[in-house]
Amino acid sequence: DAGVIQSPRHEVTEMGQEVTLRCKPISGHDYLFWYRQTMMRGLELLIYFNNNVPIDDSGMPEDRFSAKMPNASFSTLKIQPSEPRDSAVYFCASSLAALPYGYTFGSGTRLTVV
Amino acid sequence: KNEVEQSPQNLTAQEGEFITINCSYSVGISALHWLQQHPGGGIVSLFMLSSGKKKHGRLIATINIQEKHSSLHITASHPRDSAVYICAPTSGTYKYIFGTGTRLKVLA
Repeated sequence: DAGVIQSPRHEVTEMGQEVTLRCKPISGHDYLFWYRQTMMRGLELLIYFNNNVPIDDSGMPEDRFSAKMPNASFSTLKIQPSEPRDSAVYFCASSLAALPYGYTFGSGTRLTVV
Repeated sequence: KNEVEQSPQNLTAQEGEFITINCSYSVGISALHWLQQHPGGGIVSLFMLSSGKKKHGRLIATINIQEKHSSLHITASHPRDSAVYICAPTSGTYKYIFGTGTRLKVLA
C-alpha cells in the first residue's frame, strides 16, 4: 500500500494566486481529513469527509478555503486568493473508522505564500 | 489555560534511557490519540486509547480518564525515536484537540 499521497510536497506562490492541494487516501478508507500545521497554532482540523461527503467544515478559516472530494480516491483543498498567513504545512489523513490505531497521514504539503 | 498540556516540552535523553511524556487535559474525553512527528515532518499515528494501557514494541501508552491524564513511555530509547510526540484527546468525534507536542532528542 502506497499510503496517503499528497501533492505537491512544496508549493511557493504569490499572494493572490489560487493554490490547489491534492490528496489520494488509502484505498478502502472511508474518512478523509485535512489538517493545517503552523508553529503558532499547531495542528488544526480544517474539514473532514465520510464516504466523500463533507461532514464538518467548521475548521475552514474563511471562504477563501474550499475542499472537495469528487470520489473515494481523490480530494482537493483550494485556497483562492492565497495570503501570506496561509503559509503552513497542510496534511491529509485517512482512516477506516474501525481501525484501532487511528489515522494514516500523508507527508504533507508545505505552502509558502509570498 | 490550554485544554491540553504536555510535559516536558523538550527532552534530551541518552540512548537506552526510559522516557516518559505526559499529557493532561481539562475537557471530558472518550479517547486520546498519540502521534509521532519525525524531523522530516511526517506524522505517524502511534496509539488511540480510551482506557487502561496499550503496548506496541518499545512504546507503552496509558490513560486515566478520571484523572484526565495520559502518559507515553519509551523503553530502551534509541536515536531513531527522536521526534515530536503529540497527544490529541477527543470527546468522541473526529475533532481532536492537539497538544503542542514534546520534542524528544535521543543521543547515541
